[in-house]
Amino acid sequence: DSGVTQTPKHLITATGQRVTLRCSPRSGDLSVYWYQQSLDQGLQFLIQYYNGEERAKGNILERFSAQQFPDLHSELNLSSLELGDSALYFCASSGFSGDQPQHFGDGTRLSIL
Amino acid sequence: AQTVTQSQPEMSVQEAETVTLSCTYDTSESDYYLFWYKQPPSRQMILVIRQEAYKQQNATENRFSVNFQKAAKSFSLKISDSQLGDAAMYFCAYRSRPQTSGSRLTFGEGTQLTVNP
Repeated sequence: DSGVTQTPKHLITATGQRVTLRCSPRSGDLSVYWYQQSLDQGLQFLIQYYNGEERAKGNILERFSAQQFPDLHSELNLSSLELGDSALYFCASSGFSGDQPQHFGDGTRLSIL
Repeated sequence: AQTVTQSQPEMSVQEAETVTLSCTYDTSESDYYLFWYKQPPSRQMILVIRQEAYKQQNATENRFSVNFQKAAKSFSLKISDSQLGDAAMYFCAYRSRPQTSGSRLTFGEGTQLTVNP
């Protein structure tokens, strides 16, 4: 158990819809990262938050947004969903020191019908 | 931008034997971290081992060890005494020191390891 909790585990929805993925980091971790794993794109970094503020941005679509709340949990919002958004979305967290490795949650599998 | 390449999409090994997974990377940075993550069929991402670029000594974690060749930008993973539970997809990953371009992980394409009984 990594200590990172992601909900829901599975999500099935239709094109054009909007969903919210939730992540609770390990106790004490200030950084949260979101990654997307798809068959054609592999594992890609989307966005990082540190203590409530956006820290780095990767290949995140404009239809996607994220935030980190004062209690340090994070949400990834995906809107106007397309078939190609079907993927496994991981959240990871790490501690205050940048030397600490990232620990991953079990992921949310998103299926777009 | 950094890139990570795993040139072996699939590898297989006999139980109790040794296997080496290859990884190369490209970067202009001198200080960074390298990782191997394991993804079993359950799809969890499990940290196997990490290497700090400024350390010349190769990292070791029980049956897992790395061969880090900084000049060649090579970072291979050796699994000794392979066990059935080692069967998984293995990802090599790069991370800059956080003071530079953030702490994101850049992953390779992965190597699917099969362990034969």
